[in-house]
Amino acid sequence: KNQVEQSPQSLIILEGKNCTLQCNYTVSPFSNLRWYKQDTGRGPVSLTIMTFSENTKSNGRYTATLDADTKQSSLHITASQLSDSASYICVVSLNTGGFKTIFGAGTRLFVKA
Amino acid sequence: DAGVIQSPRHEVTEMGQEVTLRCKLISGHNSLFWYRQTMMRGLELLIYFNNNVPIDDSGMPEDRFSAKMPNASFSTLKIQPSEPRDSAVYFCASRGSTDTQYFGPGTRLTVL
Repeated sequence: KNQVEQSPQSLIILEGKNCTLQCNYTVSPFSNLRWYKQDTGRGPVSLTIMTFSENTKSNGRYTATLDADTKQSSLHITASQLSDSASYICVVSLNTGGFKTIFGAGTRLFVKA
Repeated sequence: DAGVIQSPRHEVTEMGQEVTLRCKLISGHNSLFWYRQTMMRGLELLIYFNNNVPIDDSGMPEDRFSAKMPNASFSTLKIQPSEPRDSAVYFCASRGSTDTQYFGPGTRLTVL
C-alpha cells in the first residue's frame, strides 16, 4: 500500500535552534518527493523537490535529504525563526504516467521565543 | 503576479444547498488541481485538469461533486447537494512548465 508517514506529529522548539522532520514512504514506482510549508490559514508553499537521483537540496535555511534506498527523507531547519511555525507536509509522487500523489499528514512545528 | 485566486474565501451554507467554488489560474499555467483539506484526512487531491481537460477525477468523493474548466484560466468546483461532511478547506493549485504547484489561499466551507 502506498503510504507517506511523517514524524513527529508536532514539535516545539526555541527560536534559534535547529530541528529535523522525518518522512518515510512506501510508494512505488517513485517519481519525486516534495516538502511543503503551510502557514495557518494559507495554502501550502513548495520548499523543495527531489527526484530519485538527488539526495540533498537546500532552500535557504531549509535542507531536504532523500535516501531512495531506505525510502526516507528529512527536512532540516537551521537557526529557526518564529516565522517557521507552520505545518510541513511531505508529498510523494508516483511515476505512473499520470499525476498520482500521496500526502503525508504533516508535522506541526511551533517555534517559541 | 496575483497568484492563484480563489473565491469565496469563506462559505457557510445549509445542508442540501448547492455550493460553487471558483479558481483563477496563474496566467500562462496549463494545469489545475482541486484539493480538499480536513483535520482528519489531511490534503486530498480531488481532480486535476491539463489544458482544460480533466485527466484524473478518481479523488472526487461522489457524484455530488463536479468540476469544470470552461476556459484556460478558470475553474469551478460544485457540490450539489452539500452535506455537513463536505465541510473542509478547498484549495486550488496551478502549475505551469515546471513541476511546482502554486496553491491558492483556499475556500473554507462550512455546511450546517
